[in-house]
Amino acid sequence: GQQVMQIPQYQHVQEGEDFTTYCNSSTTLSNIQWYKQRPGGHPVFLIQLVKSGEVKKQKRLTFQFGEAKKNSSLHITATQTTDVGTYFCAGKPGSNYKLTFGKGTLLTVNP
Amino acid sequence: DAGVIQSPRHEVTEMGQEVTLRCKPISGHDYLFWYRQTMMRGLELLIYFNNNVPIDDSGMPEDRFSAKMPNASFSTLKIQPSEPRDSAVYFCASSRTSGFSSSYNEQFFGPGTRLTVL
Repeated sequence: GQQVMQIPQYQHVQEGEDFTTYCNSSTTLSNIQWYKQRPGGHPVFLIQLVKSGEVKKQKRLTFQFGEAKKNSSLHITATQTTDVGTYFCAGKPGSNYKLTFGKGTLLTVNP
Repeated sequence: DAGVIQSPRHEVTEMGQEVTLRCKPISGHDYLFWYRQTMMRGLELLIYFNNNVPIDDSGMPEDRFSAKMPNASFSTLKIQPSEPRDSAVYFCASSRTSGFSSSYNEQFFGPGTRLTVL
């Protein structure tokens, strides 16, 4: 079955440093979504990428979708303590509505 | 909008007991998903429904798990009998069909039910 691998599993940074998490799928994806889960909370949708090579920005967050539509990344510039949480990628392989989530990257930020 | 509602928020039960988790999706959403989250296995899709019909239950661990959606505003996930290894956070999520071929389907998650089986 489809697998979505995400690295790193954990990342600890000093406030102000940059952060990147990477996502790789074993199969080509029709789109990829990113979610954020705060400690003790539930996943909250951040963004969806659909096109090959697509790049989207949300303030300090930059999302990329690979040319082959099998990998993606999330980059946060100048992290803040409010960025703390687990970031998940979730891939959708085709026309069905089933998402396969990566294991997530837990980001902690030292003030 | 109230968002996805789940109950109970916490459940502690003893091994062998029946557990029923409940979910009310966002009004107007036609897809409903049940997920289980553990440290070891991450976020796993158990089953999902479209217009109250189960579409894919390949993630349901075994026959002890069952899910129903009797109408568009209510779904249950039942575990009978429960076992300690079922301890996890169970999330319900809903989404709405997009009119575009890209099937934009942001999922809205409920707050989850933390289940502990002793």
